[in-house]
Amino acid sequence: AQSVAQPEDQVNVAEGNPLTVKCTYSVSGNPYLFWYVQYPNRGLQFLLKYITGDNLVKGSYGFEAEFNKSQTSFHLKKPSALVSDSALYFCAVRGSNSGGYQKVTFGIGTKLQVIP
Amino acid sequence: NAGVTQTPKFRILKIGQSMTLQCAQDMNHNYMYWYRQDPGMGLKLIYYSVGAGITDKGEVPNGYNVSRSTTEDFPLRLELAAPSQTSVYFCASSYLKGLIRGEQYFGPGTRLTVT
Repeated sequence: AQSVAQPEDQVNVAEGNPLTVKCTYSVSGNPYLFWYVQYPNRGLQFLLKYITGDNLVKGSYGFEAEFNKSQTSFHLKKPSALVSDSALYFCAVRGSNSGGYQKVTFGIGTKLQVIP
Repeated sequence: NAGVTQTPKFRILKIGQSMTLQCAQDMNHNYMYWYRQDPGMGLKLIYYSVGAGITDKGEVPNGYNVSRSTTEDFPLRLELAAPSQTSVYFCASSYLKGLIRGEQYFGPGTRLTVT
């Protein structure tokens, strides 16, 4: 069965320090991987995605993520955290098998708190 | 572009009442989705649509209905509201480029309370 694990409910990091939000996945076939961010009382916003190609994907607001096939991981990273990065982050996966609709599975989210 | 819009933003229903959550997108996206978000549970897919006239059930469809008469609109109907339907509801859409379905664009959400 397809699944996404975000092992940390919350990540705390000091402003200016690098941040990592972890995600591992399980899916049949090659994965399509996504990160979304949700600010309070807002809908989810797309940050970045991995479809194919370079394992390091760059996205919005200085975020990047590294696809690691052997570890089935897609961790979200940023070299220097900002207080404004504080939000809820969701990892999502979809299979790439052809034929029919491929559902997207979301993780339960990780709350990122950047401390001034 | 307005993107994905949802109305209302908030609603309180009594048990047994019905209502329709409205969703519209102006990006000409083929795919549209309805999710509910409960604390600590992530997003659960209620229904989705791959194009006008085509809808299908997601993970948690019971108690809900949808229709997709146009590309732009994808309303979600609650027929007999129950307390278990208290949640935040998000509508989303995504494009199709070649054979690849793109990322999802989300609306601002509707916060529904059933008492």
